[in-house]
Amino acid sequence: DAKTTQPTSMDCAEGRAANLPCNHSTISGNEYVYWYRQIHSQGPQYIIHGLKNNETNEMASLIITEDRKSSTLILPHATLRDTAVYYCIVRPRLSNFGNEKLTFGTGTRLTIIP
Amino acid sequence: SQTIHQWPATLVQPVGSPLSLECTVEGTSNPNLYWYRQAAGRGLQLLFYSVGIGQISSEVPQNLSASRPQDRQFILSSKKLLLSDSGFYLCAWKQGNSPLHFGNGTRLTVT
Repeated sequence: DAKTTQPTSMDCAEGRAANLPCNHSTISGNEYVYWYRQIHSQGPQYIIHGLKNNETNEMASLIITEDRKSSTLILPHATLRDTAVYYCIVRPRLSNFGNEKLTFGTGTRLTIIP
Repeated sequence: SQTIHQWPATLVQPVGSPLSLECTVEGTSNPNLYWYRQAAGRGLQLLFYSVGIGQISSEVPQNLSASRPQDRQFILSSKKLLLSDSGFYLCAWKQGNSPLHFGNGTRLTVT
């Protein structure tokens, strides 16, 4: 799996947009960018993923640069419940195999400030 | 919709005692199932995965074993726990090319 780098921590005011960056400069053409988050003492929660186009779902938006070397996860209106560690990972496109050796790294600890 | 249940949420066991953690998935059939361990401040370590009933692949030689007696049931076991088995254990599932979905984990403390 390609390595990703993220800031260790970020703060965001409640109600504002939280923008979490991720660098994945060694990503290959068949790898997706995935975002998960982990609230304290819970399992990781899938948020969103994308290949090269921007994506949006009910939780967040994902903006991927044209060269695919970096991406930004956007939480449009952050709430206190969005306080968590956010992980950016890359994963091969044809990942239908059993083996899922996800490399989560240390992620970004996002704190939403009231 | 699909849901994953993992229990217990926390467990304290003495060294040398047996272990059984259970995970079940609802709302899907023939999922791939996974057991991970997460050490504090570190990433996930894949322990076992299963692509079908009775089919178990082990990623790390260790004191643990896994079984899949039913399509949507995955069990993590040990005959004799070691101190080093303490950690946060996560069950996960996926189907085909879908994202991996995790349970809420079991925090195991071996004393």
